Amino acid sequence: GAVVSQHPSRVICKSGTSVKIECRSLDFQATTMFWYRQFPKQSLMLMATSNEGSKATYEQGVEKDKFLINHASLTLSTLTVTSAHPEDSSFYICSASGQGVSGANVLTFGAGSRLTVL
Amino acid sequence: GENVEQHPSTLSVQEGDSAVIKCTYSDSASNYFPWYKQELGKRPQLIIDIRSNVGEKKDQRIAVTLNKTAKHFSLHITETQPEDSAVYFCAAPNLDTGRRALTFGSGTRLQVQP
Repeated sequence: GAVVSQHPSRVICKSGTSVKIECRSLDFQATTMFWYRQFPKQSLMLMATSNEGSKATYEQGVEKDKFLINHASLTLSTLTVTSAHPEDSSFYICSASGQGVSGANVLTFGAGSRLTVL
Repeated sequence: GENVEQHPSTLSVQEGDSAVIKCTYSDSASNYFPWYKQELGKRPQLIIDIRSNVGEKKDQRIAVTLNKTAKHFSLHITETQPEDSAVYFCAAPNLDTGRRALTFGSGTRLQVQP
């Protein structure tokens, strides 16, 4: 259980365009999902907390108008990188809380989306 | 919010040797400490976790120890194998998100030499 699907896995876009990344919980309902960003050889940095039916909560230094988050259902959260620039190139990973094999709550990650902005 | 520090940043061991990675955290109320393994270009995978009501947990060649007084926890890998080579991250609940999200350590790149 607790499977999270993320799409697309890789995307290349031109500078100035927008890119949408989807994160789906496949076998459980996720009222809360989290979006992380990981630059090469660095750690995962929390960008925002996505709440179903309400506005996302952004971490300090993350521009909410640039990284639009929508969590319209209990199984889907989307991250849209607007007007992308080369410095936005990164590995974006979503995660959601779900029940692990032991029955305890665990944080499950999507496979990640590698964004390259030309 | 929670501050998690991880050492060392890189670790190279011979196959069969043990590897130890250490993390410290700042929020004394934190009660859940997972360890993730991330292979190149892939998602982090949970390999073991510990809750604050126990001091040690073991799963085959992997063990985690927790010292709540000192606010540090460690990952121990015994009889290392080349397939253990990866980046390992410790994490602790992020206080600012009501401890629902995780704050990650900076990562340790483990290289197991055959």
